[in-house]
Amino acid sequence: QKEVEQNSGPLSVPEGAIASLNCTYSDRGSQSFFWYRQYSGKSPELIMSIYSNGDKEDGRFTAQLNKASQYVSLLIRDSQPSDSATYLCAPQTGTASKLTFGTGTRLQVTL
Amino acid sequence: DGGITQSPKYLFRKEGQNVTLSCEQNLNHDAMYWYRQDPGQGLRLIYYSQIVNDFQKGDIAEGYSVSREKKESFPLTVTSAQKNPTAFYLCASRVGTASYNEQFFGPGTRLTVL
Repeated sequence: QKEVEQNSGPLSVPEGAIASLNCTYSDRGSQSFFWYRQYSGKSPELIMSIYSNGDKEDGRFTAQLNKASQYVSLLIRDSQPSDSATYLCAPQTGTASKLTFGTGTRLQVTL
Repeated sequence: DGGITQSPKYLFRKEGQNVTLSCEQNLNHDAMYWYRQDPGQGLRLIYYSQIVNDFQKGDIAEGYSVSREKKESFPLTVTSAQKNPTAFYLCASRVGTASYNEQFFGPGTRLTVL
């Protein structure tokens, strides 16, 4: 069983729609959770951090965390073509704050 | 202009050669990390350092070495012992407390073995 599972996609959504990206993790010791966006050939860019159960909103992005279910998600409202990228889920564990990455979900926003 | 810089952007290595990838940050961050990314895979942790003159192995440290002589610098050496070094190498640094912190990445170095 993979430590961090994401649907590889591609997830295709029309412009203006809501994109829903999901992630499950196996390490119950994970305390903090991060979503990174990675454009092709570029390095990951941090877009959301979430530290406690519930929802966290930042602009068009909403992260949702359910530690009991070991599930974290990212919603992107009013999806734009510029949102087309791979989204990486990364739980963090331990005192060294090590991140474990999923393989990412590729999002395609169509016109 | 604060940030994390990595050089070179592209690096070509012959088999049997050691190469060193540079990572510098002027953000005054204590902790720094090296990851490797292969096509279709998530990032995997190679080495990390939480403080100057101290570093720890990550999940895939074999064939790699690091040093942390200065807070700003965390170079990674890919040795000839690394069996499959062709990959995208990413350096990150961490800001925040032990409980609430974030990692930010440099632009990466793409290493190809010829």
